[in-house]
Amino acid sequence: NAGVMQNPRHLVRRRGQEARLRCSPMKGHSHVYWYRQLPEEGLKFMVYLQKENIIDESGMPKERFSAEFPKEGPSILRIQQVVRGDSAAYFCASSLATNTEAFFGQGTRLTVV
Amino acid sequence: GQQLNQSPQSMFIQEGEDVSMNCTSSSIFNTWLWYKQDPGEGPVLLIALYKAGELTSNGRLTAQFGITRKDSFLNISASIPSDVGIYFCAGQPLGAGNNRKLIWGLGTSLAVNP
Repeated sequence: NAGVMQNPRHLVRRRGQEARLRCSPMKGHSHVYWYRQLPEEGLKFMVYLQKENIIDESGMPKERFSAEFPKEGPSILRIQQVVRGDSAAYFCASSLATNTEAFFGQGTRLTVV
Repeated sequence: GQQLNQSPQSMFIQEGEDVSMNCTSSSIFNTWLWYKQDPGEGPVLLIALYKAGELTSNGRLTAQFGITRKDSFLNISASIPSDVGIYFCAGQPLGAGNNRKLIWGLGTSLAVNP
């Protein structure tokens, strides 16, 4: 049973471009969570999704950021018109249910130049 | 926003020594979790605590959920080189529901000298 798969592992974008980060949850998991980690800091919650629904997006910046988890395919975190401050590691986690352990992917390291 | 105070920020110890780190919060948490993160990897759950006063072990690791529900500690006994990494505490605030809106500490970086 493969773990949570995130791709790409590393992403470089110029300011103003779009970044699309993908997360395939563990098999059978329908709950997905996205976190952002700045260097030498802990993770910060961004958004919690279930299939086709956004449950809690209180940690998402109001502009330029969006997330989806379609019925088929991976969850996508999309950042439009990236700025240098978006440079961070973005982690996805998935769980079977809301009260079961969440497993993390290896993260996508976004660098905006 | 809510924050967790995790200490120490970093530790450099000799192989075989015991290690202790802790997290405190100004507000009550109903879940405490301890994770380890290796360079370039995602966090891996070590121990989960769900009840005040709970003491749980996982091999050489022991963690406790403080009685006040505002703190937790993690102990590692007889450290070995592969214990190297960054250890994070994370808590679920009271009233956060069952989602994963965890609050994270800033991490304790552990280095072990063989």
